[in-house]
Amino acid sequence: QKEVEQDPGPLSVPEGAIVSLNCTYSNSAFQYFMWYRQYSRKGPELLMYTYSSGNKEDGRFTAQVDKSSKYISLFIRDSQPSDSATYLCAMSAVIHKLIFGTGTLLAVQP
Amino acid sequence: DSGVTQTPKHLITATGQRVTLRCSPRSGDLSVYWYQQSLDQGLQFLIQYYNGEERAKGNILERFSAQQFPDLHSELNLSSLELGDSALYFCASSPRDTGYEQYFGPGTRLTVT
Repeated sequence: QKEVEQDPGPLSVPEGAIVSLNCTYSNSAFQYFMWYRQYSRKGPELLMYTYSSGNKEDGRFTAQVDKSSKYISLFIRDSQPSDSATYLCAMSAVIHKLIFGTGTLLAVQP
Repeated sequence: DSGVTQTPKHLITATGQRVTLRCSPRSGDLSVYWYQQSLDQGLQFLIQYYNGEERAKGNILERFSAQQFPDLHSELNLSSLELGDSALYFCASSPRDTGYEQYFGPGTRLTVT
């Protein structure tokens, strides 16, 4: 079993929809949680990071961490075609070493 | 643009050869991380340096080595290359020793034939 599980998708939604992306994990020691966006043939781009449980909002993006369920989510409101990309979750216990999910491919249809 | 630069963008080489990938971190960042991204393994952490010192090791093969120089740029050396080493290699930098805020470069695509 992988330490971090992420549905690879692809996930296809119409423009303007609310998108929910999720990761589950098995290591209860994880405390730092991140979401990255990766466009095709580009490097991952840090979207948000959170420490421990709770919610964090940044514009159209909201990150949620539920440590009791070992479950993290990224919500994208009013999705745009420019949001089409692969979304990677990442987490860490020892902080020097990020463990990444395999990524979810999102396509937002105009 | 993250501010992290990597050269070369593409590299094609033969099995058994040795290559060097170069990374320049964002201005002011002291940490450099190296990752390998392949279709079947996803993004795998290889190694981290902070201000010239090795800080953490991930799934880095013995054939691979890295270093960070006094000007903070870093090089990843891959030797005795195998077909399975074909992948995207990313460098990321961070202002901190801790790893939760990392900024990735555009990557080097390595093809071993």
